[in-house]
Amino acid sequence: GESVGLHLPTLSVQEGDNSIINCAYSNSASDYFIWYKQESGKGPQFIIDIRSNMDKRQGQRVTVLLNKTVKHLSLQIAATQPGDSAVYFCAEKVGGSYIPTFGRGTSLIVHP
Amino acid sequence: KAGVTQTPRYLIKTRGQQVTLSCSPISGHRSVSWYQQTPGQGLQFLFEYFSETQRNKGNFPGRFSGRQFSNSRSEMNVSTLELGDSALYLCASSLEGDVAKNIQYFGAGTRLSVL
Repeated sequence: GESVGLHLPTLSVQEGDNSIINCAYSNSASDYFIWYKQESGKGPQFIIDIRSNMDKRQGQRVTVLLNKTVKHLSLQIAATQPGDSAVYFCAEKVGGSYIPTFGRGTSLIVHP
Repeated sequence: KAGVTQTPRYLIKTRGQQVTLSCSPISGHRSVSWYQQTPGQGLQFLFEYFSETQRNKGNFPGRFSGRQFSNSRSEMNVSTLELGDSALYLCASSLEGDVAKNIQYFGAGTRLSVL
């Protein structure tokens, strides 16, 4: 498959473990945040989002936590599966703008 | 419902040439955005089109241009190719463009190699 990035931070976990992927965002005026998953040879895929008036949001096996004080976002994946292996990007959007700014990404490797 | 389709998937060009990439959005989506993805710079926004008009533009030189047709299909063009233009070019479509209101759906991308 195609490589989406070199020298990315990498997180290696065993199947069944919980994974936590972190992201530091840059703009204190950002009011909306998105996590994307990009598998080899594919484009990014929306996973979950959160608005700045929330601290936590849960989806199916995923939870996003937002700490505005330190401008930090995290994605927690429960019971990680080999199919979760991918590059994960956080993105932020400033109010009034349509376009998100993407972080550099973290490569998640899940070992069976 | 078909997803976002980008053609071609792979392209090899030489410096100085120009290239046109195509994107067919999901049916009913009126906003199409283009991104450049490289190992060094990550995902960077190029431009966004809505109803045949360029509504937002990223910080790229004028060699990068695009257009959108009445059926929402979009093309982007890069003229006078440089080695640094080698990248994965991604197209994303959404209903109206504001990612806070509409999910952006990405195509698989066009891998451009400039020799």
